[in-house]
Amino acid sequence: DADVTQTPRNRITKTGKRIMLECSQTKGHDRMYWYRQDPGLGLRLIYYSFDVKDINKGEISDGYSVSRQAQAKFSLSLESAIPNQTALYFCATSGMTSGDYNEQFFGPGTRLTVL
Amino acid sequence: AQSVTQLDSQVPVFEEAPVELRCNYSSSVSVYLFWYVQYPNQGLQLLLKYLSGSTLVESINGFEAEFNKSQTSFHLRKPSVHISDTAEYFCAVSRMDSSYKLIFGSGTRLLVRP
Repeated sequence: DADVTQTPRNRITKTGKRIMLECSQTKGHDRMYWYRQDPGLGLRLIYYSFDVKDINKGEISDGYSVSRQAQAKFSLSLESAIPNQTALYFCATSGMTSGDYNEQFFGPGTRLTVL
Repeated sequence: AQSVTQLDSQVPVFEEAPVELRCNYSSSVSVYLFWYVQYPNQGLQLLLKYLSGSTLVESINGFEAEFNKSQTSFHLRKPSVHISDTAEYFCAVSRMDSSYKLIFGSGTRLLVRP
């Protein structure tokens, strides 16, 4: 079984709709991250969380919100989707407590298309 | 602030030829350096990393990268590529004092042809 899972894997939606992307991990890591990938731009950090009560904005948080429901779950929401949020979204984890703090482990990604 | 430059967006190469993927970074503080690989329709996987010690680091599948502090580079090399190495490769850095925050380059697509 995959250590970091994301649902859905693909989603097509319309402008103005609310969308939630979910991430779960079984690695026991305390840190979780959301990135978006755009062609030619690499990955950019949207939000990150060090534990359930610690959530921080990344470099491109506008238009997004997150929820850390439990140590193993971190959700990304687009309150009102717009076409330029069409991208590949990745969740990642790292483990300060397990010693994996220098490596981030990525999920398989969610391809989101906003029409 | 840190930044990462991968000048080559795509590198085509024939199977069994050598390859070098270039990565330069900018930072006013000491950094950790990483190469991640993304195979088609998959997430990113760590290929190798430099944290300290020997400036030459190797992966289990034959890639190596050398940290060059004076040239602020961390180029990735492989002496003989396989078709299965076709993927996108991302260079990334993080500050040593805040190692959770990765800054990625724009990626280089390696296309290995038979």
